[in-house]
Amino acid sequence: GESVGLHLPTLSVQEGDNSIINCAYSNSASDYFIWYKQESGKGPQFIIDIRSNMDKRQGQRVTVLLNKTVKHLSLQIAATQPGDSAVYFCAENWGRGSARQLTFGSGTQLTVLP
Amino acid sequence: GAGVSQTPSNKVTEKGKYVELRCDPISGHTALYWYRQSLGQGPEFLIYFQGTGAADDSGLPNDRFFAVRPEGSVSTLKIQRTERGDSAVYLCASSDARGRAGELFFGEGSRLTVL
Repeated sequence: GESVGLHLPTLSVQEGDNSIINCAYSNSASDYFIWYKQESGKGPQFIIDIRSNMDKRQGQRVTVLLNKTVKHLSLQIAATQPGDSAVYFCAENWGRGSARQLTFGSGTQLTVLP
Repeated sequence: GAGVSQTPSNKVTEKGKYVELRCDPISGHTALYWYRQSLGQGPEFLIYFQGTGAADDSGLPNDRFFAVRPEGSVSTLKIQRTERGDSAVYLCASSDARGRAGELFFGEGSRLTVL
C-alpha cells in the first residue's frame, strides 16, 4: 500500500498558542483519515476523523482540514495546553469491505513550552 | 474491564524462543486488531478479527506470526522462533461496530525485546 507521512517530526509551541500539525498522503484513492494522539508509554488515542467528502471537521479544541487537491491533511489544536504534549499520528483507513486496517504515518512530536 | 488490557507489559526473550502476547478487549467489542510499533515509528497493522475469525491477516510479516481469538473475546498473538527484528511494542485494539470506523481503542502494548 502507499504510505502516509508527515512533514515535520517535531513541533514546539508556547502554551496557549495554536498548533498546526501537517500530514501528506500519497494514495489518491484514500477516502477516510484519522488523527491519533500517543502519550509516552501509552497506546494511541483517537482524536478526530474526516471523510474525503468533507474539507473541514471540528471537535473540541481541534480542527482537521483536508485538501484533496494536494493530498494534505492538518490538525489544528487551539489554545495548546501542556497535556497536549504527545506524538500525533495521521492515519488512513483502507476500509476494504468490513476491514478497518489503518495505515499510520511516522508521527510528529508536539512539545508544549510553559 | 474499562479498557483494553494487554499482558505481559514487558517481555524479554532470547532469539529462537516462542512468545505469546495476550489481549483482553473492551467488553462487547466485536472487532480486535493487532499492530506492531517500532521505536520512532507509527503502528503497523498485523491482523484484524471480526468475532472469532481473522478478517484480514495481510499484515502478518511471515508464518512465524500467528494470532487466535477462539471465543471472540480474548486474543493471543503467537510468535515462533523469535528474531531480534521482532523487538517492538505490540499493540492491541478493539472497536465497536456502532462507533466511528477509525476509532480504535488501544491498549498500552506489550514491549517485546529479543536478545
